[in-house]
Amino acid sequence: SDELTQAPSVSVSPGQTARITCSGDALPKQYVYWYQKKPGQAPVLVIYKDSERPSGIPERFSGSSSGTMVTLTISGVVAEDEADYYCQSADSSSTYVVFGGGTKLTVL
Amino acid sequence: QLVESGGGLVRPGGSLRLSCAASGFSFRNYYMSWFRQAPGKGLEWVSSITSSASTIYYADSVKGRFTVSRDNAKDSLYLQMIRLRVEDTALYYCARQQGASIAAVATGWFDPWGQGTLVTVSS
Repeated sequence: SDELTQAPSVSVSPGQTARITCSGDALPKQYVYWYQKKPGQAPVLVIYKDSERPSGIPERFSGSSSGTMVTLTISGVVAEDEADYYCQSADSSSTYVVFGGGTKLTVL
Repeated sequence: QLVESGGGLVRPGGSLRLSCAASGFSFRNYYMSWFRQAPGKGLEWVSSITSSASTIYYADSVKGRFTVSRDNAKDSLYLQMIRLRVEDTALYYCARQQGASIAAVATGWFDPWGQGTLVTVSS
């Protein structure tokens, strides 16, 4: 299957580390990208090509990959990080863009 | 920057044409894509178009009903939607695509995104 699977929710306290995972059978062959989505705002790219951070994105955002799973790590979470996070990739034939179902990050 | 327009309320079976105006970058050199987010749901890819419009891909959910096009002279992207269904109700976004190739149009990342235009399909 080329679907991407994310946990529906993750909760952390300010200052802690949040880890959001995304799994899929095609991931060993495809890069993964991560987007932050806040209500009423456009999605924002926070990680590209598994682990690269776009300019302007805080250093506390990082990405890693291992086999069929990729992880978005937010170190030292702050209140403004509360948002939905989506992983995105392509299917194994590079014909369809695929999103995970999204993970809601709650900062306690 | 990307600015979408053209959304609105339409009855099931109706049609609508969305536009996306680009500025601040060389539009003609980039692949572009449409996405949507239904109320309370996640992000969904709709369609991607190469810089010259030579290759276009669609999600299965819209294939045969939606048509993407672009006018590089006007720095604009379009989405023509026909035979609209209630389940097409969503906020529609356009985004610039990077990192893809002609052999792998659906790859790469999307940045920036517009603010979206709301399409409501209801009787």
